[in-house]
Amino acid sequence: QQQVKQSPQSLIVQKGGIPIINCAYENTAFDYFPWYQQFPGKGPALLIAIRPDVSEKKEGRFTISFNKSAKQFSLHIMDSQPGDSATYFCAARENSNYQLIWGAGTKLIIKP
Amino acid sequence: NAGVTQTPKFQVLKTGQSMTLQCAQDMNHNSMYWYRQDPGMGLRLIYYSASEGTTDKGEVPNGYNVSRLNKREFSLRLESAAPSQTSVYFCASRIITEAFFGQGTRLTVV
Repeated sequence: QQQVKQSPQSLIVQKGGIPIINCAYENTAFDYFPWYQQFPGKGPALLIAIRPDVSEKKEGRFTISFNKSAKQFSLHIMDSQPGDSATYFCAARENSNYQLIWGAGTKLIIKP
Repeated sequence: NAGVTQTPKFQVLKTGQSMTLQCAQDMNHNSMYWYRQDPGMGLRLIYYSASEGTTDKGEVPNGYNVSRLNKREFSLRLESAAPSQTSVYFCASRIITEAFFGQGTRLTVV
């Protein structure tokens, strides 16, 4: 059973646009929501993360928006660049054992 | 500082062959993980080790075995490879707030 649903599966955006990737979860026992970025041929790496007591977090051009009542969170990339082209994974951490539950990933392409 | 190191980077096996994927981390983390990544399916957990001397099954353990040799090393063994095990395999180690991944092993079973 997929506890974290991520959409879309792929996304193509023009340079300068604002790609938005969405995730929804079902388990209320999650206490931490990270996003990971993966470039081709590399392992995923932590990009930005948020806790459920905060509705928004910004780090540079990357913003997480969190809606606790809707059990949804999303990643926005401002002023997107071709170098942002990568696969993005959302995840949720279970507060009982700290295991990460992963979304299926979004392949993002930023066209020059 | 190397972080998480996986070997080999690429491997081609014939059906029925066995092999061991090696993973080592130099960050003194207790928790280590093996994932497989397939197109459209994200990262699926095969096995994990919460601490030295313990291992537990993840979402897709069938056909795999693991060994937590010491705090640094966590290996994944395929006893009898099948084409369904063609995938990219990632090892990771973790602290509470962040997972650190190796560069992956691309395995093809023909």
